[in-house]
Amino acid sequence: NAGVTQTPKFQVLKTGQSMTLQCAQDMNHEYMSWYRQDPGMGLRLIHYSVGAGITDQGEVPNGYNVSRSTTEDFPLRLLSAAPSQTSVYFCASSYGLRDEQYFGPGTRLTVT
Amino acid sequence: AQSVSQHNHHVILSEAASLELGCNYSYGGTVNLFWYVQYPGQHLQLLLKYFSGDPLVKGIKGFEAEFIKSKFSFNLRKPSVQWSDTAEYFCAFFNSGAGSYQLTFGKGTKLSVIP
Repeated sequence: NAGVTQTPKFQVLKTGQSMTLQCAQDMNHEYMSWYRQDPGMGLRLIHYSVGAGITDQGEVPNGYNVSRSTTEDFPLRLLSAAPSQTSVYFCASSYGLRDEQYFGPGTRLTVT
Repeated sequence: AQSVSQHNHHVILSEAASLELGCNYSYGGTVNLFWYVQYPGQHLQLLLKYFSGDPLVKGIKGFEAEFIKSKFSFNLRKPSVQWSDTAEYFCAFFNSGAGSYQLTFGKGTKLSVIP
């Protein structure tokens, strides 16, 4: 199993550009989520999904969109990047809501 | 809103010293509690978890945590730290109250172990 994979590992965007961060898991997990990690702020939940076709907002959803068309994939879209979205983004998945979450390696995004 | 408080931002210890990292959560119902660790340059991985039963939970690498319901606490302990324990530690809890299925993380405690 590859576990949770994320692409790209690094990305630099200009303000106003759009992009999609990719996340995939091969463990047949129903629950997937996106977090951003900022110094001194811990991990904050952006969006999550409890299964294909079902998504919901987390603590900091503004400026981000998600969709879950398959169990395996959970892309995160930035429609119009802002410097405040400079962060490290982690995707995670788990078998159930209360189970251990498996994290991807992260995407370091810089918005100039 | 539910929250997790980690009392120490940065802890510096010498090798062989004992470690205790504090964690308090803000929900009074049934919770699942976790400690995750992030080694430098790596992603988060699970250290240990508490769902129910024995409130003293043992995890990997000699770590343990004690759930004290009356104090809303889930402190992480290790009797003797090693240089390889240098990492950032995150406490997290899950509850499904009010139909919200979220894992809430604390802000993290950075541990530096001096050889």
